[in-house]
Amino acid sequence: AQKVTQAQTEISVVEKEDVTLDCVYETRDTTYYLFWYKQPPSGELVFLIRRNSFDEQNEISGRYSWNFQKSTSSFNFTITASQVVDSAVYFCALTTWAGGTSYGKLTFGQGTILTVHP
Amino acid sequence: GAGVSQSPSNKVTEKGKDVELRCDPISGHTALYWYRQSLGQGLEFLIYFQGNSAPDKSGLPSDRFSAERTGGSVSTLTIQRTQQEDSAVYLCASSPQYYNEQFFGPGTRLTVL
Repeated sequence: AQKVTQAQTEISVVEKEDVTLDCVYETRDTTYYLFWYKQPPSGELVFLIRRNSFDEQNEISGRYSWNFQKSTSSFNFTITASQVVDSAVYFCALTTWAGGTSYGKLTFGQGTILTVHP
Repeated sequence: GAGVSQSPSNKVTEKGKDVELRCDPISGHTALYWYRQSLGQGLEFLIYFQGNSAPDKSGLPSDRFSAERTGGSVSTLTIQRTQQEDSAVYLCASSPQYYNEQFFGPGTRLTVL
């Protein structure tokens, strides 16, 4: 069975602070994909990044960066110089290849509510 | 291009009634998913369609829930004899293949009175 844990339920920061959202996953499969999604107050889930289990390179996209470490089963997300528009619920998710079954469906963490104050 | 669309955006029904929720995926996407988002349970997988393969129904919470996908495109999620615990936001997503990112629709907020 797969599991994703986002231990931080809520984070509150002041604009321009850096913030890291933690994600720890569990799976027995060797091939899997990790994702981060953003859910702003409007409610629609927005894709941010996908990473496969064979690619441990960290990635940076503007103010966003992701740190994937298989050794600790973590896929953390950092926002640099946070802005009010970053306020949202952020979800980490996992999907695995399991010999042709159960692939595709996302197992989500409980989400982290990020509030950025001006 | 057009994203995933869902209808209705809101649905209020009485306990015991049947409801149908519709999802129009992004054109050309072979994989289609239904999820449910509720306060107590977070985001839960319900069902997954991939091309012409048999759907993965492992997430359906009871036999009152069913879904179909016609012509490899539009999907309908049906909930029979609705219960108050069915109240949630039902999200549809599609992707080119299972390993790609999923694009989500705006959801249907279902309220069962």
